[in-house]
Amino acid sequence: KQEVTQIPAALSVPEGENLVLNCSFTDSAIYNLQWFRQDPGKGLTSLLLIQSSQREQTSGRLNASLDKSSGRSTLYIAASQPGDSATYLCAAPVRGSQGNLIFGKGTKLSVKP
Amino acid sequence: GAVVSQHPSWVICKSGTSVKIECRSLDFQATTMFWYRQFPKQSLMLMATSNEGSKATYEQGVEKDKFLINHASLTLSTLTVTSAHPEDSSFYICSVPGSATYNEQFFGPGTRLTVL
Repeated sequence: KQEVTQIPAALSVPEGENLVLNCSFTDSAIYNLQWFRQDPGKGLTSLLLIQSSQREQTSGRLNASLDKSSGRSTLYIAASQPGDSATYLCAAPVRGSQGNLIFGKGTKLSVKP
Repeated sequence: GAVVSQHPSWVICKSGTSVKIECRSLDFQATTMFWYRQFPKQSLMLMATSNEGSKATYEQGVEKDKFLINHASLTLSTLTVTSAHPEDSSFYICSVPGSATYNEQFFGPGTRLTVL
């Protein structure tokens, strides 16, 4: 059974810092892993999708890596800004399912100006 | 990616009433849509898979007679919470897969349901 864990649960940093969010999963036979952003009371915004054949994906100041063998993914945010404040979720698919994503509980990020 | 809308964005109802939530894929025809539920400070949990033209498939522990799903067209799925109770209060979010291989999912803005 796939389980997804995110550490830390909350993170507060001053503006401009680079930071890393961690995601671990128990079933390494995944075909992709997806990172989302969720603002309070809002839906999810897809940030990055990493295919199992890839080791990382980049979008602007965001870089996500995937290491299937160790069951880990990281989301790196460069030069953080107050607008980056949100909860960041990672999700891995259930083996053999058509779209069932298992989510971590998220990391709540606060970037102080 | 797919653009997904939900209506209403929030709803408050009395215990025992039924509430319908709509999920629309605005720019993508979706034969499948997914309904998730998120309780405060908890992860999103898949409730059911909505299939156009056939019955929805429900995850273990989700009552199909309580959470009625209708995938009326390739762009619309509805979730009806019947005889709602306070414990059904939650954030309901739908998603649409971006391709036939379900490689990436795009989520709606969510519906906040509060049952008094």
